[in-house]
Amino acid sequence: NAGVTQTPKFRILKIGQSMTLQCTQDMNHNYMYWYRQDPGMGLKLIYYSVGAGITDKGEVPNGYNVSRSTTEDFPLRLELAAPSQTSVYFCATTGGETDTQYFGPGTRLTVL
Amino acid sequence: AQKVTQAQTEISVVEKEDVTLDCVYETRDTTYYLFWYKQPPSGELVFLIRRNSFDEQNEISGRYSWNFQKSTSSFNFTITASQVVDSAVYFCALSEETSGTYKYIFGTGTRLKVLA
Repeated sequence: NAGVTQTPKFRILKIGQSMTLQCTQDMNHNYMYWYRQDPGMGLKLIYYSVGAGITDKGEVPNGYNVSRSTTEDFPLRLELAAPSQTSVYFCATTGGETDTQYFGPGTRLTVL
Repeated sequence: AQKVTQAQTEISVVEKEDVTLDCVYETRDTTYYLFWYKQPPSGELVFLIRRNSFDEQNEISGRYSWNFQKSTSSFNFTITASQVVDSAVYFCALSEETSGTYKYIFGTGTRLKVLA
């Protein structure tokens, strides 16, 4: 089992470009999450999903969109990238909302 | 006010020293969960421990131990006989119910440097 995989590992975008960060899990978990980690900070929740077809905003959703058409995949879409979105993005999953979250390896995004 | 406070931004110790990383949390819930994660220089987040609010028993796992005290809202992490491989950023997190579902709130992390 791969657990949680994220692609790409690194990406540089120009201001105004768009991209999709991919997250896939093979743990058959219902709950999935997207976080961003800014330098010297903890992780902040962007969006989360409690199952296929259900998504909701976290603490910092502005500038992002998500979809959850399958249990396995939870892509994060950035429209009109801005320098403030330069960060490391982590996807996480858990089988139950009070259970431990397991994280993917992260995507380092730079917007210039 | 921060819900999870890790007041120690960075700690440096010499190998074989013991070190304690502090975590203070704030919640009004009676049911909540606390976690510690390790983020080594490679960047991934590694789960270390999960504790629910009804279990105040201290836990030891090899050189790692955790002290959970509800009276002081603290969940501290001690590494005994530290090693260079322990160098990492350590995050404490609180999971409590917000808007009908449980979500994690992370502290800002403590960077531990273990010098040879």
